[in-house]
Amino acid sequence: SQKIEQNSEALNIQEGKTATLTCNYTNYSPAYLQWYRQDPGRGPVFLLLIRENEKEKRKERLKVTFDTTLKQSLFHITASQPADSATYLCALATYGGSQGNLIFGKGTKLSVKP
Amino acid sequence: DAGVIQSPRHEVTEMGQEVTLRCKPISGHNSLFWYRQTMMRGLELLIYFNNNVPIDDSGMPEDRFSAKMPNASFSTLKIQPSEPRDSAVYFCASSPLAGSPNEQYFGPGTRLTVT
Repeated sequence: SQKIEQNSEALNIQEGKTATLTCNYTNYSPAYLQWYRQDPGRGPVFLLLIRENEKEKRKERLKVTFDTTLKQSLFHITASQPADSATYLCALATYGGSQGNLIFGKGTKLSVKP
Repeated sequence: DAGVIQSPRHEVTEMGQEVTLRCKPISGHNSLFWYRQTMMRGLELLIYFNNNVPIDDSGMPEDRFSAKMPNASFSTLKIQPSEPRDSAVYFCASSPLAGSPNEQYFGPGTRLTVT
């Protein structure tokens, strides 16, 4: 069956360290993958999109990698800050079916301690 | 732009009652999505529209759920009759271009509690 798994429900790190979040999938052939941030009581906010033929994408302190062989995406936040504390969701879009149809993981709650 | 607007923000209703959730997408966006989020199941797509036409409603859990998009600036999600297991946060999102891998812009959500 198809599955998207984010490595852990919660991740606690110290300010200044690099946070690495994992998104694994099985039985999908994603055309692209997106990462979103969600704060309590709010809707998800788009961060980055990476296509299947791209290995890496960067935006300021954020970096996303996409390995279709390992069926995995890694999301890195360098020099993390307490303000980065939130839940981070990965989302896949697959070939076929309806374009724009995203399938979301359950998210990883990141806590950055000062 | 005000972003995606949803109303109400909170809804508490009794089992068996009809519930209508409303969404105004970002002006100029061609795609609109309805999601449901629970702790158990995460964020699930219910239905999505391109240019006001429903494209994929395979996520709608049962016939009690229906969605409409009468024009480009308004959509509703109706649950009739509501049941306690429908309690969740319902999000509306819009996206600029139909059929393209664009980011989705989410509204603040409607927290529905069915007692």
